[in-house]
Amino acid sequence: AQKITQTQPGMFVQEKEAVTLDCTYDTSDPSYGLFWYKQPSSGEMIFLIYQGSYDQQNATEGRYSLNFQKARKSANLVISASQLGDSAMYFCAMRPNTGNQFYFGTGTSLTVIP
Amino acid sequence: KAGVTQTPRYLIKTRGQQVTLSCSPISGHRSVSWYQQTPGQGLQFLFEYFSETQRNKGNFPGRFSGRQFSNSRSEMNVSTLELGDSALYLCASSPLAGAYEQYFGPGTRLTVT
Repeated sequence: AQKITQTQPGMFVQEKEAVTLDCTYDTSDPSYGLFWYKQPSSGEMIFLIYQGSYDQQNATEGRYSLNFQKARKSANLVISASQLGDSAMYFCAMRPNTGNQFYFGTGTSLTVIP
Repeated sequence: KAGVTQTPRYLIKTRGQQVTLSCSPISGHRSVSWYQQTPGQGLQFLFEYFSETQRNKGNFPGRFSGRQFSNSRSEMNVSTLELGDSALYLCASSPLAGAYEQYFGPGTRLTVT
């Protein structure tokens, strides 16, 4: 069975500080992709970053980086230098390569404090 | 390049009615997936269409159906609406089936009274 777990319902971070959002996953597929999406209050899901299960290096996209620990089945998102506009819900997702379905976690609500 | 568009953005229906939601993918994208998002269940996969064929279906009753047209636009239909169908319905497109990234539209907020 495929499962994504995000254990932090809500997080607070001071502006300009870094924050880590946790994500663990469970899959029996040897090949899969891991994703993070941001959902502001407007509702639209915004793609942030992708990590392939066979990628040797952690993915980075600007202020976003994905701390991928395959043995522990974790794919934490690190946001550096937080900005007020980073306040949103953040979803971790996984797509096994044997299927076309995305599996989403329950999300973490991030609030950036000025 | 225009993003994924969904119409309508907001919809209010009564129990027992049916509803049709529309999704236009990013130009050139041939895969469209649909998701239901509720506070209690989170994001749940409904189905995926590619080249007018349903490739994958989530665990939803047969009241939920969809289709895709030759121009890749997709529609989702829910018949005999129930209160529990109130949700944000998100559509996502990607260039190919199983492609790594999906790009989401703004969603349709459906309220069933």
